[in-house]
Amino acid sequence: AQKITQTQPGMFVQEKEAVTLDCTYDTSDPSYGLFWYKQPSSGEMIFLIYQGSYDQQNATEGRYSLNFQKARKSANLVISASQLGDSAMYFCAMTYSGSARQLTFGSGTQLTVLP
Amino acid sequence: NAGVTQTPKFRILKIGQSMTLQCAQDMNHNYMYWYRQDPGMGLKLIYYSVGAGITDKGEVPNGYNVSRSTTEDFPLRLELAAPSQTSVYFCASSYQGQGGSGYTFGSGTRLTVV
Repeated sequence: AQKITQTQPGMFVQEKEAVTLDCTYDTSDPSYGLFWYKQPSSGEMIFLIYQGSYDQQNATEGRYSLNFQKARKSANLVISASQLGDSAMYFCAMTYSGSARQLTFGSGTQLTVLP
Repeated sequence: NAGVTQTPKFRILKIGQSMTLQCAQDMNHNYMYWYRQDPGMGLKLIYYSVGAGITDKGEVPNGYNVSRSTTEDFPLRLELAAPSQTSVYFCASSYQGQGGSGYTFGSGTRLTVV
């Protein structure tokens, strides 16, 4: 079975600073995908970044990067130069090969960006 | 370019009532899913489908039913609503390959059972 753990229920960061949101995962499948989603107070799920287990380089999308450490089974999200609009709930999720791409989610981290 | 459309956006049900949450996608995705999100929690899978006529249970299927008669539509049926089904429901769809951007969520249905 797959499991995602996010150990930071809440995080604060000063505007323009970088912040790292932690995510660890557990799976016995060698082929899997890791996702990060943002959920603002309006409730929609916004896709941020994806990392495949066989991808050699860490994924980056604008101000978002994924620090993928396979041996440690961690997939931390790094947000550079935080903005007030980054205040939201952030979810780490994974899927695995041989499945129908069902996502297993962590419990989320509530990020608050301070002016 | 609608993506995944869910209706209704909000609904209040009385205990014991039934309703159907509608979900439609226009991306020709084979895979579709229903998730629920309880307050302050992550999403949990209720049911999923890999194509028309094929459905399977997820982590929390009790109290729900689904059908998939077409590629586009994947309705979720609640029979005999209970307060424990108060939640936000998300429908999603995905193509068959790898990658992140092809996984699309609807805007959600906020359901309250009183």
